[in-house]
This record gives sequence, structure tokens and C-alpha cells, in this order.
Amino acid sequence: AQTVTQSQPEMSVQEAETVTLSCTYDTSESDYYLFWYKQPPSRQMILVIRQEAYKQQNATENRFSVNFQKAAKSFSLKISDSQLGDAAMYFCAYRRYSNYQLIWGAGTKLIIKP
Amino acid sequence: ETGVTQTPRHLVMGMTNKKSLKCEQHLGHNAMYWYKQSAKKPLELMFVYSLEERVENNSVPSRFSPECPNSSHLFLHLHTLQPEDSALYLCASSQDLGAGSWYEQYFGPGTRLTVT
Repeated sequence: AQTVTQSQPEMSVQEAETVTLSCTYDTSESDYYLFWYKQPPSRQMILVIRQEAYKQQNATENRFSVNFQKAAKSFSLKISDSQLGDAAMYFCAYRRYSNYQLIWGAGTKLIIKP
Repeated sequence: ETGVTQTPRHLVMGMTNKKSLKCEQHLGHNAMYWYKQSAKKPLELMFVYSLEERVENNSVPSRFSPECPNSSHLFLHLHTLQPEDSALYLCASSQDLGAGSWYEQYFGPGTRLTVT
């Protein structure tokens, strides 16, 4: 069975600095998607970034980028120039290409220090 | 209203009560989902509907009963709950289920349920 592990329950970073959140996953599949979701105190889960496993190029969305290491089954999220609005729970999720079900990590709470 | 809305935002109920959670999506999507979110645990998928037909029921106790009268509305009927059912219940929708392709799931703000 596929599993997703986020080993950092909580991280903190100074405003304007860079932080990296870790995610590892376990799968025997070769085709899949990986996602990072953000859940702010408002509780609304928002997609931050996604990566298709067949793409070697790391996905980027403005200040958010990923480091996708397929062989190591690692999918970390880098947030550059951290802003107070980035404070939230961040969840890593996996989905098989042939299935709709998302497998979630337990989340990392990100604290931004002003 | 835009996106996915959920009512109520907060609910406190006794173990003998019957209540319902409501979800509505204004995105024209065909698939809807119920998730349970407990502290420090991964999200648990409870139910999935596609075009008003249930396609997933992840061994959820019968005290949770979903209903999808149309593709825009999803309900979760609750009865004789246990204190361990206290959690945040999230609703989501997507254009389609997305097997073989990718459709983003859009989430509502959730209902914080406390069972006393």
C-alpha cells in the first residue's frame, strides 16, 4: 500500500527567508502525481503545487518550488521569501495515475516569525 | 457563493442526536468527496460520489450516512455518534474522478464537529 510520510510536525522560519518541508512516499507504481496542499487557519485546503512523476523537471509556482527525487521517493517543498500569509499546515499527497484517491501525509505546521 | 461551501461551520451534538452536514459546490463538478480530518493524522477519505452515484465507501461506520441528491449537493447524516468521531469534516469536489488524468480537488472550509 502507498504511504506518505512528513517527518517534520512543525517548522518555523523567519519572514523573508527560505524554508524546505520534507515529504517521502512509498509506492511500487511508476506513474503517479504528487501534491502539496496548504491549509491556513481558515481551514480551506488549497492546492499549492503538483508534480507528475513522469516529468523530470521540478514544478515551480512563483515562490513555491519542489525538489522531486523519484528514485529516492522524495518530494520536498521549498518556499522562498516566506511571508506571514504562508503560515499554515502543509500536506503532501500522492495519487496513482490510474486512481482518483489521494493518500495524505500527516502534515507540517509552518510558523512564520515576523 | 463561489467554490465549495459547507454548513454549519461548527456543530456540537450529543451522542444520541441526529444531525446533518451540508456541502454545496458551485463549480459545475461531477465528483464530490467527504473527508475526515483528525488532529495529527492524515486525511481519511470517507465517501466518493460521481454523478450522484457512490463509488467509494471506505469502511465507514453506518452511523455516518451520505446522500447526494444531485451533483451540486452532498450531505452527511449523523446519528448516535461517538466522542472519537469529533473531527473536522471536509467536503471536496472535482470536475471528474480523474483516473488516468488529473482533476484538482477543491475543498470547502469544513465543519468542526464535537460529539459530547
